[in-house]
Amino acid sequence: AQSVTQPDIHITVSEGASLELRCNYSYGATPYLFWYVQSPGQGLQLLLKYFSGDTLVQGIKGFEAEFKRSQSSFNLRKPSVHWSDAAEYFCAVVGYNQGGKLIFGQGTELSVKP
Amino acid sequence: GAGVSQSPSNKVTEKGKDVELRCDPISGHTALYWYRQSLGQGLEFLIYFQGNSAPDKSGLPSDRFSAERTGGSVSTLTIQRTQQEDSAVYLCASSLVSASGNNEQFFGPGTRLTVL
Repeated sequence: AQSVTQPDIHITVSEGASLELRCNYSYGATPYLFWYVQSPGQGLQLLLKYFSGDTLVQGIKGFEAEFKRSQSSFNLRKPSVHWSDAAEYFCAVVGYNQGGKLIFGQGTELSVKP
Repeated sequence: GAGVSQSPSNKVTEKGKDVELRCDPISGHTALYWYRQSLGQGLEFLIYFQGNSAPDKSGLPSDRFSAERTGGSVSTLTIQRTQQEDSAVYLCASSLVSASGNNEQFFGPGTRLTVL
C-alpha cells in the first residue's frame, strides 16, 4: 500500500534561514508527488508537484522540491524563510491510475522565529 | 466564484443526528473528492466521483457515510447517526479529468463538524 512519511511533526526556523522539510514515500513505481500548504483557517494550497522529467521542481512562493528515486524522497526546500511561511505543510502521493486519490503524510508544522 | 465552495463552514450537531455537507466544485471539473482532516487520523481520503462513473467509496469509514453528486456538479456528503469521532474538518476538492492522477486538485475551505 502506498504511504507517505513526514518525520518531523514540528520545525522552528529563524526568519531568513533556509528550510528543508522531509518527505518519504512508499510505492512500487514512480508516483505523482505533491506538496500542499495549509495556513491557519485556510484551505489546502498546492505549492508544487512532480509527475515526471526534471527531478528538481519549482513551485510558488519560492519553494522547490527534489525527487530522489533512490531514497524514495521528495523534500521541500526554501533558501530563505519569511514569517508568512508559518503554516502546516503536507506531502502527498498519488499512484498511477489510482483516480487521483491523494495519500497524505502526517504534516509538518512550521514556526518562524523573528 | 472561481474556487471550490463548501457549506456550511461550521456545523455543530448532537450525537445521533444526521448531517449534510455540501460542495460546489469548480465549473468544468469532472472529478470531485471528499477528504476528512482530524487530529487523530490526519488527512484521509473518503470518496471520489469521476464524471458518470460509479464513485470510488473505498475511503468511507462506515456505512453511516454516503455521498452523491447530482448532475455532475454539486456534491453532498451525508453522515447518519453522527458519533463524536465524526468530529473533523471535511474537505472537498475538484480537478479536471483525473483517471491517471496527474491533475491538480483544488480544495475548498472545508466544513468543520463538531458532534456533541
